[in-house]
Order: sequence, then structure tokens, then C-alpha cells
Amino acid sequence: EAGVAQSPRYKIIEKRQSVAFWCNPISGHATLYWYQQILGQGPKLLIQFQNNGVVDDSQLPKDRFSAERLKGVDSTLKIQPAKLEDSAVYLCASSQNSGTDTQYFGPGTRLTVL
Amino acid sequence: KQEVTQIPAALSVPEGENLVLNCSFTDSAIYNLQWFRQDPGKGLTSLLLIQSSQREQTSGRLNASLDKSSGRSTLYIAASQPGDSATYLCATRKAAGNKLTFGGGTRVLVKP
Repeated sequence: EAGVAQSPRYKIIEKRQSVAFWCNPISGHATLYWYQQILGQGPKLLIQFQNNGVVDDSQLPKDRFSAERLKGVDSTLKIQPAKLEDSAVYLCASSQNSGTDTQYFGPGTRLTVL
Repeated sequence: KQEVTQIPAALSVPEGENLVLNCSFTDSAIYNLQWFRQDPGKGLTSLLLIQSSQREQTSGRLNASLDKSSGRSTLYIAASQPGDSATYLCATRKAAGNKLTFGGGTRVLVKP
């Protein structure tokens, strides 16, 4: 069974530029999560989708971050414009349902903002 | 607001020694607690999940205990091996379907 796929793996941009990350969850998984992991810290949930609907985006900085999962399968996370403090690893995870099912994580995208 | 803390942030032990990793949380009203392993440049892998009604869970050389009343969980890794070198994270969930709240992790190095 294929795991959670993410691209790109690495991205370097200058502040005020835009960037987009892509995630393809495990086939059949209804729930998709985007996390931000700053160096030395644990992951922090940015947004949770159930199919193509948003369940929780309370910690998403909506003035600059946006995410979509239009067809309820893959998802994109966008930052526009980027700030220095956005430098982090962005992890995507999926689970069959949002209950207590195990979340499966992708390898992450490491973003560096200069 | 739940806060999850893991101390120490880093730990180094010789091969064969038992590992003891600590996790504390401020709100004892949790639904479950989960331990993850993270290797450099990779995502998280779930190790053990303890429901709030359970006191411990075991898988191979790993054993995790949960004391809700004191807001603590401990992950024990018996007879550590160099392959156990990784960052270990704990996370709590407040209710079914709720988000995971992670600790900062403990980076473990097992020296051959």
C-alpha cells in the first residue's frame, strides 16, 4: 500500500514570495491533516479536512495561509506572502476517519524562507 | 488549553541500556495518548496508542504507561539498539475526532 506522498521535499524562497505544497493521502482515507513543525518543536495542526470539508482550521493563519481539498482526495497548502517565521517542515497526514484512527504521515516538505 | 511537555529534549545512552522517556500534560481530561517516532527527514510513525481507560500498552520492546491523574506518560524501550536512535514524540487527543496536541519531542541517540 502506497503511503502519503508530498511534494516538493525541499523549497527555498525569499520572504514575501508565494509557495504551494501538495499532498496525496493514502487511497480511501477520508481525513487529511496539514501540520507545521518548527525546528525543535512538535507538529502543530494547521487544518483538518473530512473529505472536502474543513473540520478544524483554528490554528491556520488565514491572512497568509490557505488550503483546499476540492475533490476530497489530494490537497494543496499555500502561503502568500511568506515570512521568515514560516520556515518549518510541513507535514501531511491522513486517516480513514477522524475518530481515533491512526494518522499516517508523509515525509514532509522542508521550507526555508530567506 | 492543553500543553504537552517532554523532558529532556535530548538523551544519549550506550547500547543495551533501557530507555525511559517522559511526557507530561496539563489537562488530564484526555481521550487517548499516542507515542510517535520521527527519523530525520521523515514523517512520524505511530508506536503505541493508549486509551484513557488503559494504564499501559506494550509492543515488543516498547511499553508505554499512562497516569491520567498526574498528567504523565512514560515510554520504556528495553535493551536499546543503535536503530532506536530517533526523536520520540507524545501527543494527546481531547476527544474522538479532535486534533492531536504534540510535545516537543525527545531526541535519542543510542551509541554502539
